[in-house]
Amino acid sequence: SAVISQKPSRDICQRGTSLTIQCQVDSQVTMMFWYRQQPGQSLTLIATANQGSEATYESGFVIDKFPISRPNLTFSTLTVSNMSPEDSSIYLCSVRGTSGAINEQFFGPGTRLTVL
Amino acid sequence: QKEVEQNSGPLSVPEGAIASLNCTYSDRGSQSFFWYRQYSGKSPELIMFIYSNGDKEDGRFTAQLNKASQYVSLLIRDSQPSDSATYLCAAPPFSGGYNKLIFGAGTRLAVHP
Repeated sequence: SAVISQKPSRDICQRGTSLTIQCQVDSQVTMMFWYRQQPGQSLTLIATANQGSEATYESGFVIDKFPISRPNLTFSTLTVSNMSPEDSSIYLCSVRGTSGAINEQFFGPGTRLTVL
Repeated sequence: QKEVEQNSGPLSVPEGAIASLNCTYSDRGSQSFFWYRQYSGKSPELIMFIYSNGDKEDGRFTAQLNKASQYVSLLIRDSQPSDSATYLCAAPPFSGGYNKLIFGAGTRLAVHP
């Protein structure tokens, strides 16, 4: 499976500010995903990021709040804009596996965000 | 109705016992199912997937799938304290995005010595 890194690993931010999270993969991947995991909760998909096209957002998530970039096949960023304490979560990027037959995903280490 | 449901637990088993984790799903069109293990403070790690009815074994882990009952389970034999984690069941929806995964809430497993 691909090796995935995220930056920063954690951050503490003030409300009203924005944070950009980076996701780097050691191989080219077509599809990258961004998830949120709120405290004590499971994973919720925010959006799917494809290189060369606009990200596809899930219900309840909008581009103005979570703009995503995907400049190439190994890198993506997620920005959490105008943050509030409710945005305190772990943010995870993931990539599709390469088996082709099934759609397994592999996750990066996550970014733990605390908004004060 | 949630698309993937799990009992949140905690499920407590003694060391050496079999831990049985269960998951039900609502989308009859889902074709493949995934079990992830998540240690506290870590990201989810894929441990098994299954897409055919019946059992699939990998070491101490066995995944079981019953598509007619829309039920998938994970058995952990000879449970160890290091198996203590949250286990997440996931499935792609048949409609709305083949590449997506919908996750259950996770079952917390505690294996005590």
